Amino acid sequence: GAVVSQHPSRVICKSGTSVKIECRSLDFQATTMFWYRQFPKQSLMLMATSNEGSKATYEQGVEKDKFLINHASLTLSTLTVTSAHPEDSSFYICSARGGTSGANTGELFFGEGSRLTVL
Amino acid sequence: GEDVEQSLFLSVREGDSSVINCTYTDSSSTYLYWYKQEPGAGLQLLTYIFSNMDMKQDQRLTVLLNKKDKHLSLRIADTQTGDSAIYFCAERSPGGYNKLIFGAGTRLAVHP
Repeated sequence: GAVVSQHPSRVICKSGTSVKIECRSLDFQATTMFWYRQFPKQSLMLMATSNEGSKATYEQGVEKDKFLINHASLTLSTLTVTSAHPEDSSFYICSARGGTSGANTGELFFGEGSRLTVL
Repeated sequence: GEDVEQSLFLSVREGDSSVINCTYTDSSSTYLYWYKQEPGAGLQLLTYIFSNMDMKQDQRLTVLLNKKDKHLSLRIADTQTGDSAIYFCAERSPGGYNKLIFGAGTRLAVHP
């Protein structure tokens, strides 16, 4: 299947700093990528939908000025957590719709996730 | 609105069958999915079923869909310790971008 890679897998930062997480589709072009946030023992919460070359569409309650999403190419989307605070600590997962099979079935391929810890 | 519900925990003995249940609310969903998440990792697609199907079998996995009751189940035959993980049910929203709506996940524990 299609491969989606996230980097970094783990990051620890001080409160007030900004952190960038990258999501890459390695063997296919992803016109649409999704960013999810997962709290401990909870489901995935969709944060935003990212389309190549256009502004991201944020879900209700997600601060777009805090979670900056850029989808500059068909293989790369980035999530920047600006002025991070301890409550932003979470597991962030990106996903992308993969290739032709993905376009038909809507299957999403997920990255490995990035665990952010804000001290 | 869209909502997907699952039981949170299931414990089975190695070698037995596991059945994980899911209910969803959007009757216009076209595809329904089962994803597996191992600790500290992303999600792996296990299988999916199109809404006009009742059943899909893939090796040890059997998916049953009752569209009338909006009920989906995943049966894992001959459950192994390596099957221990969190299993997420998801429905494909028919709205823009066809985003997936996930349930809270069922934690499957397999014991000897």
